[in-house]
Amino acid sequence: NAGVTQTPKFRILKIGQSMTLQCTQDMNHNYMYWYRQDPGMGLKLIYYSVGAGITDKGEVPNGYNVSRSTTEDFPLRLELAAPSQTSVYFCASRAGQGIYEQYFGPGTRLTVT
Amino acid sequence: DQQVKQNSPSLSVQEGRISILNCDYTNSMFDYFLWYKKYPAEGPTFLISISSIKDKNEDGRFTVFLNKSAKHLSLHIVPSQPGDSAVYFCAASEGNFNKFYFGSGTKLNVKP
Repeated sequence: NAGVTQTPKFRILKIGQSMTLQCTQDMNHNYMYWYRQDPGMGLKLIYYSVGAGITDKGEVPNGYNVSRSTTEDFPLRLELAAPSQTSVYFCASRAGQGIYEQYFGPGTRLTVT
Repeated sequence: DQQVKQNSPSLSVQEGRISILNCDYTNSMFDYFLWYKKYPAEGPTFLISISSIKDKNEDGRFTVFLNKSAKHLSLHIVPSQPGDSAVYFCAASEGNFNKFYFGSGTKLNVKP
């Protein structure tokens, strides 16, 4: 199993550009999450999904959108990139009810200039 | 406002000694707690967890203690090894366990 994979690993965006961060898991997990980690800070939840077709906002959803059309994929969309979105983005998955540990991808380092 | 706090950004310990990492939380509704370990350029990996119905959980060299009245948990690593050098995050969840709240992390350095 590859686990949770994220692409790209690095990206530099100009202000106002858009992009999609890809996340795929091959563990058949129901729950998927997107977090961002700013320097010296913990992970903050952006969006999460409890299954295909179901998504909900986390702590910091503004400026982002998500979709979950399949169990495996959970892309994160930035529509109008802003410098405040410079961060490291982690995708994670969790099997489901009663199983609490999350499996994380390696992260995408995004810089908006 | 951060609901989970790790007030020590860094900790340095000699190999073979005990490492104690601390975590405080403010939300009394949190009822499940986890510790993750993170190496540079990698995603966090799950280490150990504890439910609020327990006050201790042990897994090999790692033990997590929960003090609900103080809203405090700690991770003990005994004995510490150089390979334990990493950033450690505590996380907490409530109720339906859909959302998890993370602390800012403590960077542990275990010196040979």
